Amino acid sequence: EAGVTQFPSHSVIEKGQTVTLRCDPISGHDNLYWYRRVMGKEIKFLLHFVKESKQDESGMPNNRFLAERTGGTYSTLKVQPAELEDSGVYFCASSHVHIISSDEQYFGPGTRLTVT
Amino acid sequence: KNQVEQSPQSLIILEGKNCTLQCNYTVSPFSNLRWYKQDTGRGPVSLTIMTFSENTKSNGRYTATLDADTKQSSLHITASQLSDSASYICVVIYAGGTSYGKLTFGQGTILTVHP
Repeated sequence: EAGVTQFPSHSVIEKGQTVTLRCDPISGHDNLYWYRRVMGKEIKFLLHFVKESKQDESGMPNNRFLAERTGGTYSTLKVQPAELEDSGVYFCASSHVHIISSDEQYFGPGTRLTVT
Repeated sequence: KNQVEQSPQSLIILEGKNCTLQCNYTVSPFSNLRWYKQDTGRGPVSLTIMTFSENTKSNGRYTATLDADTKQSSLHITASQLSDSASYICVVIYAGGTSYGKLTFGQGTILTVHP
């Protein structure tokens, strides 16, 4: 079974540019999550999709971030325009069911975003 | 504010030795606590999951303990191996309000095992 994949693995862009990150969850997983780890800080929740619907987007930092999951399969996270503080590692995770007592979230390898 | 604090920030041990990592949390109400291992350049991988009613959970050489009264958890690694070198992250799952099920992460403990 293929795991969660993310593309690209690393992106370097200039301040003001646009970047789109992609996440392909494990096949059949309805739940998809985006997280971010900025330098020196802990991983933080960004948002949660159930199929194509946004269940919880309370962690999205501002309106420069737009996440989509059309068709309930892969998801994209667009940052437009990028700022220096957006640099960090963006993780995607997926799970089959959202049962918080036992739900296993499988993480992708992350996309390292560097804004210069 | 719901927080998860881990100690130490980093730890160096010799191969074959045991070690214990600590986690204190203020997340409330919480549903369960998890320990993850994150290798360099990889995503976190779950080691143990404990509900609030469980005191201990083992996964091979990894044993996690939980004291829900004092809001403390520990991860004990027995007979360490070079492959145990990684970041170990304590994660507490929030069980209240509109953010039900949200993961709150600690900063992690970076473990280095030397031969």
